[in-house]
Amino acid sequence: GIQVEQSPPDLILQEGANSTLRCNFSDSVNNLQWFHQNPWGQLINLFYIPSGTKQNGRLSATTVATERYSLLYISSSQTTDSGVYFCAVGYSSASKIIFGSGTRLSIRP
Amino acid sequence: EAGVAQSPRYKIIEKRQSVAFWCNPISGHATLYWYQQILGQGPKLLIQFQNNGVVDDSQLPKDRFSAERLKGVDSTLKIQPAKLEDSAVYLCASSLGGGPQETQYFGPGTRLLVL
Repeated sequence: GIQVEQSPPDLILQEGANSTLRCNFSDSVNNLQWFHQNPWGQLINLFYIPSGTKQNGRLSATTVATERYSLLYISSSQTTDSGVYFCAVGYSSASKIIFGSGTRLSIRP
Repeated sequence: EAGVAQSPRYKIIEKRQSVAFWCNPISGHATLYWYQQILGQGPKLLIQFQNNGVVDDSQLPKDRFSAERLKGVDSTLKIQPAKLEDSAVYLCASSLGGGPQETQYFGPGTRLLVL
């Protein structure tokens, strides 16, 4: 099956710093989503981005489908950005997605 | 609008006991998902319903896990008998439709500890 790898596994930054999270996938996909899981376990969808670039406030994401990777950028980090960021991909006509193992981000005040 | 509701939030049982989790999706959402998230890992899809029919249950351990979605709304996930390795967070999600572009909305999860 398709493999989803995220890097780095852990990232510790000071408030105000910028960060780049990477997601590599092993096969063509028609569905790629980024999620944030806060320290209380709640999963929130950030982006649906099978290709191209999207921005939402301090967050932006880029997917280069031909090279099988996606990047999530977080600018001017805040402590509320802490948590685990997951990339999830799908490759069928259905909505099934496969999650990577996540990047744990800790923002220090 | 109300989000995805799950209960209970926490459950502690002994191995070989049975347990059931309940999920109420967002109103009008046709697709409902159950995921298992083991500590330190990403969520893994156990079963996906479209209305009250099963779309995908390829990763559901059918010898001990069962799920149903009567009337195409609420859903229950049952484990019988539980094993130590079933300790995890069980997440329910729903989406409006079943296509690849659908945003999945997640509930708060049920944290299960099997002793």
